[in-house]
Amino acid sequence: EVQLVESGGGLVQPGGSLRLSCAASGFTFSNYWMHWVRQAPGKGLVWVSRINSDGSTTTYADSVKGRFTISRDNAKNTLYLQMSSLRAEDTAIYYCAKSNGGYWYFDLWGRGTLVTVSS
Amino acid sequence: DIQMTQSPSSLSASVGDRVTITCRASQSISSFLTWYQQRPGIAPKLLIYAASSLQSGVPSRFRGSGSGTDFTLTISSLQPEDFGTYYCQQSYSIPFTFGPGTKVDIK
Repeated sequence: EVQLVESGGGLVQPGGSLRLSCAASGFTFSNYWMHWVRQAPGKGLVWVSRINSDGSTTTYADSVKGRFTISRDNAKNTLYLQMSSLRAEDTAIYYCAKSNGGYWYFDLWGRGTLVTVSS
Repeated sequence: DIQMTQSPSSLSASVGDRVTITCRASQSISSFLTWYQQRPGIAPKLLIYAASSLQSGVPSRFRGSGSGTDFTLTISSLQPEDFGTYYCQQSYSIPFTFGPGTKVDIK
């Protein structure tokens, strides 16, 4: 089955760190750019970061630049998001998503993992 | 950053109604426009990409149109399973940005 499954979310104190994982299956993971998108409770979607197929190119939203690091392990078919210096405004459901083609649309999404930053 | 706006912010319609949602970009994005549907508690689902291309498996009652700055998502005959929030997204430039969403309720 073609799917993405996120894990690693939870409750963390402000200033803390957390690493999210996204396990891919059912498609050739190493062929695709991958992304993280987040959604604060009751709010809209916000793109966070992307990484190219071999992990050599990464891009970030300004709101997370310098604090978050996206990476991937193609041998394990897994995408990661290392989050540090977490703030209350980082509280959200974090989705991993696969993009397809030159139009950069997200054709496969995971179910998401909830990150709560609170003391 | 490219700002995306949507109208209306919410709507309530009956089964069988024709529904139109509008998305506007703050600058030209050519056809780099995608539509998603999100039902409560579930990840977004791709409906339309490249402004007007229907994703495989999506019912043909969904239609996207537009280019440049103005785009439209039309549901030709609303069905009960079409409730949820619809988002547009531009992928013309980084950071990719989404519209604020249009919540669709079934009367």
